[in-house]
Amino acid sequence: DAGVTQSPTHLIKTRGQHVTLRCSPISGHKSVSWYQQVLGQGPQFIFQYYEKEERGRGNFPDRFSARQFPNYSSELNVNALLLGDSALYLCASSPRTAPGGYTFGSGTRLTVV
Amino acid sequence: QKEVEQNSGPLSVPEGAIASLNCTYSDRVSQSFFWYRQYSGKSPELIMSIYSNGDKEDGRFTAQLNKASQYVSLLIRDSQPSDSATYLCAVINNAGNMLTFGGGTRLMVKP
Repeated sequence: DAGVTQSPTHLIKTRGQHVTLRCSPISGHKSVSWYQQVLGQGPQFIFQYYEKEERGRGNFPDRFSARQFPNYSSELNVNALLLGDSALYLCASSPRTAPGGYTFGSGTRLTVV
Repeated sequence: QKEVEQNSGPLSVPEGAIASLNCTYSDRVSQSFFWYRQYSGKSPELIMSIYSNGDKEDGRFTAQLNKASQYVSLLIRDSQPSDSATYLCAVINNAGNMLTFGGGTRLMVKP
């Protein structure tokens, strides 16, 4: 079985640009969550989606948005990129909204210059 | 006060020793706790979960939970150089939809 897949693996963007990150959960998993991990820190929660509805939102500005598609894959969008948005963006998959533990994808390394 | 706190380390132990990693959390009603291992440049990997007070063992790993003291720990017996990584403690919220991570403890196991 394929694990959680994320694309792209690496990305370089310029300040002010927009970026879209993609995630496909493990087959059968209906919940997708997004986390941001800045170098040297633990991951921080951005969003959770379950059955295509937003079920949780972390303390991130409105520049961050996400959606989940009927096949349970998800996109994270970030507008008006700032240097501080440079981070590893992790997608996590679980079978339901109350996880016994998330499985993370390999992440997308975003660098904003 | 951070919600989940860990000593950033690095914690250095010799090969074959016991590594002890500690974590405290601030929300008294927290019920579920997780330990993730993260190798440099990789994503976090779930290694242990614990929900009840006491010890839970899985191979060389033992998680310990003390809800009264709001304290979670991870013991790694017979530490190997391949255990060298950052260990992240995480707590789930009551809604079950958000993990809060500590900053991680970097473990170095020296041959």
